[in-house]
Formats: sequence, structure tokens, C-alpha cells
Amino acid sequence: NAGVTQTPKFRVLKTGQSMTLLCAQDMNHEYMYWYRQDPGMGLRLIHYSVGEGTTAKGEVPDGYNVSRLKKQNFLLGLESAAPSQTSVYFCASTKDLPGQPQHFGDGTRLSIL
Amino acid sequence: SQQGEEDPQALSIQEGENATMNCSYKTSINNLQWYRQNSGRGLVHLILIRSNEREKHSGRLRVTLDTSKKSSSLLITASRAADTASYFCATSNYGGSQGNLIFGKGTKLSVKP
Repeated sequence: NAGVTQTPKFRVLKTGQSMTLLCAQDMNHEYMYWYRQDPGMGLRLIHYSVGEGTTAKGEVPDGYNVSRLKKQNFLLGLESAAPSQTSVYFCASTKDLPGQPQHFGDGTRLSIL
Repeated sequence: SQQGEEDPQALSIQEGENATMNCSYKTSINNLQWYRQNSGRGLVHLILIRSNEREKHSGRLRVTLDTSKKSSSLLITASRAADTASYFCATSNYGGSQGNLIFGKGTKLSVKP
């Protein structure tokens, strides 16, 4: 049982480049989340989805876009990467209610030069 | 916006000792959760305590919640080297944040053999 899988695990980008981070879960969860974790800042919510075809903004959505075309996948896109987006990105999911325990992937470490 | 604030930021103890971490939060909550994060990995859910509960146990973990003081504590008894990790509290408020979890900045625990 894989749980939540994030790809890629590491990536280095140049300023202005674009990329997509993929999150896949095999637990049939309705809710999915994207967070970023920066030193001394804890986790901050970027975007989330309450079901297939839905997305919503979190605390720090600027510079990111998301899509949830399939229930099991949640994609995070950076259209024009900036050094301020250097961070570790985590995807999480939860079954069918907000505020329930979340299952996390192991993160994508992204550096923007 | 950060809701939970863990204290201390870092804690170093010897194997076999107890470790206590505290979390304070600002607004009303429906539940409070604790997570562990090993170096380079995603967060793992440890325990959830509801706003109408005062204490909860899970193995060597004991969590207390004082809603009048807006604070919670996590006690790890008889600590082991394998408990070395960062610990985060997260609060859920169905009304204020649609139930999305708001994480604190974490306590880094080091258990020395």
C-alpha cells in the first residue's frame, strides 16, 4: 500500500522556468492538500481540493496553480518559478471530512536558482 | 497564519527520560492533532484530541488539552533514540478555516543514546 506518492523527489529549476509536481494517493481519499515547508515556518497551505474537479486557495496560493482532474491525483504547477518558491513541498490527503488526520507524502525538495 | 506555537523550539534529552512539548493556539478549535516528522520524510499523524476531551493516551504518548488556556501538551514517556524527530501540533476549526489544519512551527526533539 503506497499511500501518498510525490514525484519528483528533488528538482532544481532556473528562475522563470515552469514545472508540475505530481501527487498520487491510492486510498480513495476525497480531500487533498499542497503545503510548503520552510525553515522555522512550519507548514503553510497552498491549495486544497475537496473532491475531483474542485480546487480552492489556501494561505499562500500566489504563484501556484493546481488541478484535480482525477480523484487520485493532485497536481501543483509553478508557471514562472521564483527564488522565493525554493522550499520543500508536501502533499497530503484525508478521507472524507476536513479536520481529520492527514496522510503525507515524503515531499519534493525544490530549489530555484 | 500560524495558529499553534510549540514550545520549546528544541529539546535534547537522554534515552529513557520523558519529553514534554507544549502547543498554544489562538482561536477556538474542533480538534488538535500531533504529528511527527523524521528528517527528510513527511509528517506522520500521532494522535487527535477533540475539544471536549481533556486527556488521551496512545502507547507511550499522552496528550492533554486545556481549552480555557488554549494549550496542549505532548508527553513521550521512556524516550528512545528512535523518537528523535520534529513534532508539530495542528488545529482544526470547521468554522474558521473550513476545517483545514493549521500547523505550528514544531519542536525538534533529540534523544541521545
